[in-house]
Amino acid sequence: GQQLNQSPQSMFIQEGEDVSMNCTSSSIFNTWLWYKQEPGEGPVLLIALYKAGELTSNGRLTAQFGITRKDSFLNISASIPSDVGIYFCAGQPKKAGNTPLVFGKGTRLSVIA
Amino acid sequence: DGGITQSPKYLFRKEGQNVTLSCEQNLNHDAMYWYRQDPGQGLRLIYYSQIVNDFQKGDIAEGYSVSREKKESFPLTVTSAQKNPTAFYLCASSIGQGRGGTEAFFGQGTRLTVV
Repeated sequence: GQQLNQSPQSMFIQEGEDVSMNCTSSSIFNTWLWYKQEPGEGPVLLIALYKAGELTSNGRLTAQFGITRKDSFLNISASIPSDVGIYFCAGQPKKAGNTPLVFGKGTRLSVIA
Repeated sequence: DGGITQSPKYLFRKEGQNVTLSCEQNLNHDAMYWYRQDPGQGLRLIYYSQIVNDFQKGDIAEGYSVSREKKESFPLTVTSAQKNPTAFYLCASSIGQGRGGTEAFFGQGTRLTVV
């Protein structure tokens, strides 16, 4: 099935640093979503994007829907220890009919205090 | 409280046995999904249902079965035909594209271990 290319696969950063991760696709997406998953739990929705070029913030998190509709990025500013987890991008492909979300493989974030 | 409930949290199964994972939602969502998560593999779609009494195979449906007899419930059966069933299973729901919603909301997952 279709997959998104998410990078980096993992990151180790110092507390207080900013973080950036992104997702790309070879095809157009109608919607981009970003989730965070903590160990042993289900993913939690952080940000949803619906329009090309849209830039949305949620506290220290900022995400953008790429103008080409084939990519999205997530930034985390001034990281803190509780930011640790796996971040997933997900997208709604531009296809006729109902299609489920496609997920990236995740970016594992570790924050060193 | 509204949400998605998966049970049990942990499940152990002997080889050769079928096992059913429960997923219930009280969000009045039309669509429900089952994903499998293995380390480094991200989320892989097993089955999904856009409406009651209808469901579709995802990317890795072999060895699994589902039913959608009620809007609120979407149980997943892991059959003995699934060669490597040990994994973390996630259920999700969304309003449904017919009602303009694509965001999926997840349950807390069931960790299945074959012993």
